[in-house]
Amino acid sequence: DQQVKQNSPSLSVQEGRISILNCDYTNSMFDYFLWYKKYPAEGPTFLISISSIKDKNEDGRFTVFLNKSAKHLSLHIVPSQPGDSAVYFCAASALYNFNKFYFGSGTKLNVKP
Amino acid sequence: DVKVTQSSRYLVKRTGEKVFLECVQDMDHENMFWYRQDPGLGLRLIYFSYDVKMKEKGDIPEGYSVSREKKERFSLILESASTNQTSMYLCAIQTGGGRNYGYTFGSGTRLTVV
Repeated sequence: DQQVKQNSPSLSVQEGRISILNCDYTNSMFDYFLWYKKYPAEGPTFLISISSIKDKNEDGRFTVFLNKSAKHLSLHIVPSQPGDSAVYFCAASALYNFNKFYFGSGTKLNVKP
Repeated sequence: DVKVTQSSRYLVKRTGEKVFLECVQDMDHENMFWYRQDPGLGLRLIYFSYDVKMKEKGDIPEGYSVSREKKERFSLILESASTNQTSMYLCAIQTGGGRNYGYTFGSGTRLTVV
């Protein structure tokens, strides 16, 4: 049973518009969340993180929002660029087991020029 | 920046072969992980290690074993490869500290078992 879910396997967005990628989790003990970006034939690379003491974290064009009551986080990319086309994974961990991350199934983002 | 190197980018092996996937880090990180990535299933943890000669099963350890004889090297072993082990294999180390941490991944090994 997946504890972290990304229900949209793919998303297509026009260049310059906003991309919103969603992630839901079931374990209320999760308190630290990451987003990774993965290009084909490469390993995932860290994008942005957020801890449960915050509801928003911003880094350039990337912003992550956390809604703890809904057990939901989202990644906003503004403006989207063709180079953002990749698979995005969200991941979560809990303080009692902070070495272990649980990953979602990924969302493939396609940014059209 | 820490570097995580996986020895092979692409491998093709026959059913029943014993397969070794190697992962090497260039720093002194203790925690190392092996994941596999499959479409629609995301990243699933196979095994991890907290230190030399220490290992813990992840969520899908069946058909796999690991070895960590030196701190910088973590090997994943497929005892008798099967076609359902065709996958992308990713090694990761835990980086950062306190509550500001995450994984640094290697570039992955695409294994095909025929």
